[in-house]
Order: sequence, then structure tokens, then C-alpha cells
Amino acid sequence: ILNVEQSPQSLHVQEGDSTNFTCSFPSSNFYALHWYRWETAKSPEALFVMTLNGDEKKKGRISATLNTKEGYSYLYIKGSQPEDSATYLCASAAGGSQGNLIFGKGTKLSVKP
Amino acid sequence: DAGVTQSPTHLIKTRGQHVTLRCSPISGHKSVSWYQQVLGQGPQFIFQYYEKEERGRGNFPDRFSARQFPNYSSELNVNALLLGDSALYLCASSRGLPSSGNTIYFGEGSWLTVV
Repeated sequence: ILNVEQSPQSLHVQEGDSTNFTCSFPSSNFYALHWYRWETAKSPEALFVMTLNGDEKKKGRISATLNTKEGYSYLYIKGSQPEDSATYLCASAAGGSQGNLIFGKGTKLSVKP
Repeated sequence: DAGVTQSPTHLIKTRGQHVTLRCSPISGHKSVSWYQQVLGQGPQFIFQYYEKEERGRGNFPDRFSARQFPNYSSELNVNALLLGDSALYLCASSRGLPSSGNTIYFGEGSWLTVV
């Protein structure tokens, strides 16, 4: 059974601050790591899917890195804006014939204007 | 293109009743999965279907069942509802399995309250 952990649980920053969150996952039998952004009353929005050790992905001011050997991924937000306020979820994909995601509990980000 | 659509969006049921939740995947997606999300937790995996076959089942009792239809839409059924089944039920679709690096797209969910 996979155990995906995210830290911190919540984060309060000022507009313009840069911030980062951590997702840790078991490094054995790794298949893929997914990041989602989830705003209240909306559906989770896919940010990144990463599969290779050393992967780096970027989408606007948000970027992510992946280390499959040590079992962690970082999500970075540069110059946080109030609209970045959301819960950020990471999930590790189970492998084999099973296609489910194992989610962490998320990091709730609040950006104050 | 329409995203993943779920119905109903909100419903209230009484303990012991049965509920059916429906999901239509994005056109062209053959994989549908169901997740349960309760406050303070990440979404918990319930079922995975790919090409109309069950590919995975999470740690949920037999009261939970699902199926995928020839048009790739899916239903989640829960029998003998308990208060603890109150949650947001999310459906997600993708072209293939998440473990292969496929992006998973979620619907807005069905809020179930059991009283």
C-alpha cells in the first residue's frame, strides 16, 4: 500500500511571495506522479504528470520537479497571486493493471493581497 | 469539448437507502475511475474501469459497486447507505491508465449527504 505525504498542510503567504510544497511517496515500484490544483466548488485541475527521474515541468509561474530515487517531488509557485489560493494535491499512480491514484492530503495555500 | 460530467450534483438520502451516481467521461476517454473525498483527506480510490473492465478496486465494502457501459459512461452504486458514506464522490476520466503517464481529468463531483 502506497503512502503519499504532503507538507506543509497549509501555507499563508503574501502576494508576490514565492513558495514551494513537498510531496513524498514510496520510491519502489514508481510509475507516475500527478499534481492537481483544487479550488473550492470546482473540480481538481491537472497541473503536471511526471514519470521520469529528474523531470521538470513548468506551466506559467508554477513548476515541479521529480526525484524518483529518493521519492519526492516539489511544486514551486513564483510570485504568488491571490488567484493561486487553492489546495494542491499530489498523487502517485499505482502500477500494473490497476490504474488508480494514491493521493496525499494536500497543501492548502492562501495568498493574501 | 465537454469535460467530465457527473450527476446529480447534490443529493440527500436516508440511511439504508440506495444511491446511483452517474458519470460521462470526456469524449475519446476509455478509462473511468471513482474516488471518495471526505473533509481533511485526499480523494480515496474506489473503482477503476478501463475498456469496460474493472481494473482496480479500493478498500471499500461490497455495498459499493460500479460498472462501465459500452459508451464508456459509468455508474457508481452504493447500497444500504450509512452516515459515514456522506462525502464528495469524484469521477475521473483519461485516455489510458494513470500509471502510464496519462493525465486524469476530474468532474465536479456529486455531494452525497446521508441522514
